Amino acid sequence: QITLKESGPTLVKPTQTLTLTCSFSGFSLSTSGVGVGWIRQPPGKALECLALIYWDDDKRYSPSLNNRLTITKDTSKNQVVLTMSNMAPVDTATYYCAHAPRMPRGGTQGGYYYYYMDVWGEGTTVTVSS
Amino acid sequence: DIQMTQSPSSLSASVGDRVTITCRASQSISTWLAWYQQKPGKAPKVVIYLASSLESGVPSRFSGSGSGTEFTLTISSLQPDDSGTYYCQHYNGYSGFTFGPGTRVHVK
Repeated sequence: QITLKESGPTLVKPTQTLTLTCSFSGFSLSTSGVGVGWIRQPPGKALECLALIYWDDDKRYSPSLNNRLTITKDTSKNQVVLTMSNMAPVDTATYYCAHAPRMPRGGTQGGYYYYYMDVWGEGTTVTVSS
Repeated sequence: DIQMTQSPSSLSASVGDRVTITCRASQSISTWLAWYQQKPGKAPKVVIYLASSLESGVPSRFSGSGSGTEFTLTISSLQPDDSGTYYCQHYNGYSGFTFGPGTRVHVK
């Protein structure tokens, strides 16, 4: 059974750096074809994927937030860490992490296989305020 | 970057109704699309992946179709538990995941 759980501060001040940890079980991020993503959702708004890390340490970032985000993995601890710098009140949101398996039967596009998010954590709420 | 749009933004329907939500991509994405259901205060749950594959454990009244730039999620007989917001999501190997703006479904 795959489970994920997000942890981190509930309150950060503007300009601070946010560090969130996704602790997971039921899979290994050293297994080929596995990814973990971070997604956020401001109150009353839509989902936004922030970053994605693959088993081979390849990474993807949201183009609009690329220069503020860093995603890393610790395979021995079964954790993925997201840091977001220069936090502002607009970054107030619920932050989720999710398991993303590769689906080979979707074929390839540009040499890449298809992924989707099949198991999510329950989320952690972060408020940015002075 | 590929943009995702959804219509309608919200709908209200009765128990037993057939409901269809549409998702459009700004350029062709083959069948690389998933649908998620989210209830208030809860994490999203995947309903459909690869445009038409039903996720394990999801009721068969849910179905997905489409390819290229236009996709639909259909609920054949709406149930009270189907209320929530539905998001489409595209995966691209170069840029990762992109979500649509969501469609809120209210069951009368």
